[in-house]
Amino acid sequence: DAKTTQPPSMDCAEGRAANLPCNHSTISGNEYVYWYRQIHSQGPQYIIHGLKNNETNEMASLIITEDRKSSTLILPHATLRDTAVYYCIVNAGGTSYGKLTFGQGTILTVHP
Amino acid sequence: DTAVSQTPKYLVTQMGNDKSIKCEQNLGHDTMYWYKQDSKKFLKIMFSYNNKELIINETVPNRFSPKSPDKAHLNLHINSLELGDSAVYFCASSQITGGNSPLHFGNGTRLTVT
Repeated sequence: DAKTTQPPSMDCAEGRAANLPCNHSTISGNEYVYWYRQIHSQGPQYIIHGLKNNETNEMASLIITEDRKSSTLILPHATLRDTAVYYCIVNAGGTSYGKLTFGQGTILTVHP
Repeated sequence: DTAVSQTPKYLVTQMGNDKSIKCEQNLGHDTMYWYKQDSKKFLKIMFSYNNKELIINETVPNRFSPKSPDKAHLNLHINSLELGDSAVYFCASSQITGGNSPLHFGNGTRLTVT
């Protein structure tokens, strides 16, 4: 699976949008981009995933560049409860499905 | 209703002991996993089972033996515990049929070996 690069930490003011970038320049055509987050002392929580098109759900939006070499997770109105480590993961599925490679992620701190 | 539940939440034991961690999912998923998060917070897959059959085994010492009595349960048994086994162990599940459905994780079991 392709490697991802994320900034180690970011800050965001409560109520503002949090934009978390991820670089996956070696992504293959069949690899999806997944975002998970881990709030302190909890298990990782799925947020969103996509292949080529931008995606939106009740938690977040995922913007994937046309060349698919990078993506941005957007939390439109961050709250204090969004403080967590955010992981960007690429995975092809098939025999590697479920074998998610978690890097160090981005520690997002939402402050009042 | 907890989707993926693990017991116990905390486990403190001495070196050389044998212990088990239980995991159950009520999502109707066909695949279950064990992940390990070490002291540096890196999460790594250990095993995955699909319909009670082992499909991923990531060079984990054979002191670790997963057991899946049915597709809703995946237990992890650890023999002869070592200090280095201290970590947080997460169980997860997903619906592998059709591919790319997300993993749902439990809240972890913190194992401390003294």
